[in-house]
Amino acid sequence: EVQLVESGGVLVQPGRSMKLSCAASGFTFSSFPMAWVRQAPTKGLEWVATISTSGGSTYYRDSVKGRFTISRDNAKSTLYLQMDSLRSEDTATYYCTTYEWWGQGVMVTVSS
Amino acid sequence: DVVLTQTPVSLLISLGGQASISCRSSQSLVHSNGNTYLHWYLQKPGQSPQLLIYQVSNRFSGIPDRFSGSGSGTDFTLKISRVEPEDLGVYYCLQRTHNPLTFGSGTKLEIK
Repeated sequence: EVQLVESGGVLVQPGRSMKLSCAASGFTFSSFPMAWVRQAPTKGLEWVATISTSGGSTYYRDSVKGRFTISRDNAKSTLYLQMDSLRSEDTATYYCTTYEWWGQGVMVTVSS
Repeated sequence: DVVLTQTPVSLLISLGGQASISCRSSQSLVHSNGNTYLHWYLQKPGQSPQLLIYQVSNRFSGIPDRFSGSGSGTDFTLKISRVEPEDLGVYYCLQRTHNPLTFGSGTKLEIK
């Protein structure tokens, strides 16, 4: 059974940092590009970042470029999202996804 | 950025009826490799999104044949026949042809 389990979400002050993790199992993690997608409260889905299978290529939406870093550890079947200089508009549920399968999501709240 | 315009915003369908959702793109979604990366997802209340249809018309594993996708270029449609109670939720289209990836704004399906 495919599982994607996110962790690391919490309440954080604006300007601070947070790192999300996504532990994958049930499929060959190293064979799939991975992505983070977020959903602000009561809003639609918004793509955040994608990483290639090897980790050698990464892509970001403009609003997070230079602040967020997506990475992966294929030996540990784990995806990461390092989020720096957080803003209130980053408040959302963050999903880890292969696009075929999705995690349950982790809530990130940026507030003073 | 590619804008995906989904219509209608909401649908009220009787059990056993048919629903049709449109997703129109601001530019062609045909990739340089000839594939069209337009996918459909359903987000049931309180759940993560689930993949229904990938690359315009291919049903994902376990998705019943009541769900069908069609279209080409900039104009795509998701049809749901014989609507069942578990079909309620918000439907999103996603394009992965162009960076940044973009989602439609969603169509809420309610059951009469």
